[in-house]
Amino acid sequence: QAVVTQEPSLTVSPGGTVTLTCGSSTGAVTSGHYPYWFQQKPGQAPRTLIYDTSNRHSWTPARFSGSLLGGKAVLTLSGAQPEDEAEYYCLLSFVFGGGTKLTVL
Amino acid sequence: QVKLVQSGTEARKPGSSVKVSCKASGGTFTSSSISWVRQAPGQGLEWVGRIIPKPALTNYAQKFQDRVTITADKSRSTVYLELSSLRSEDAAVYYCVTGDDHGDYDLLYWGQGTLVTVSS
Repeated sequence: QAVVTQEPSLTVSPGGTVTLTCGSSTGAVTSGHYPYWFQQKPGQAPRTLIYDTSNRHSWTPARFSGSLLGGKAVLTLSGAQPEDEAEYYCLLSFVFGGGTKLTVL
Repeated sequence: QVKLVQSGTEARKPGSSVKVSCKASGGTFTSSSISWVRQAPGQGLEWVGRIIPKPALTNYAQKFQDRVTITADKSRSTVYLELSSLRSEDAAVYYCVTGDDHGDYDLLYWGQGTLVTVSS
């Protein structure tokens, strides 16, 4: 089973842009891994932000976007808001990454 | 709107089994996949397995292959996760997660979670 890697933590300024990445131990991430991105705030169930690489869920703000770049899946947050502070998990072929704790400061 | 309602907290002893339920509404139960994802205290997410009720196709993470059974009762629009030979490391919140109506995408809508504790 592949190991999925994410940055343990990142910090972004309010209004700034940040990129979260999701890599695989087996090699380049492709659309065939059907990358997903999830957001989880303390004490809450996760919620799906992005599915199948770049599709936003109905509740996902437009400031979140998903893509593939440099052999990884990427979640880009443009114009960070205080309410975006959370843990973000990616999923590749039903294997979760360890999560990225995003601080908006 | 799709909604998943899970059963309540369960307390078990090591070596026993637990069965958690997840009732779906607002979607097409038979064609949507339902996955189970767990989260141990203070830890990340872990995919356990999934079922597509029609045709009762199941997939399990290799780690749980010999201890987990996921079933579906189409008449009740309910999916069940049964985990046997429980150990302390199985203590976690277990979430059910369903996909879209057409079965094209998994893991779109999350249940509220069920806490399972394992202690002697």
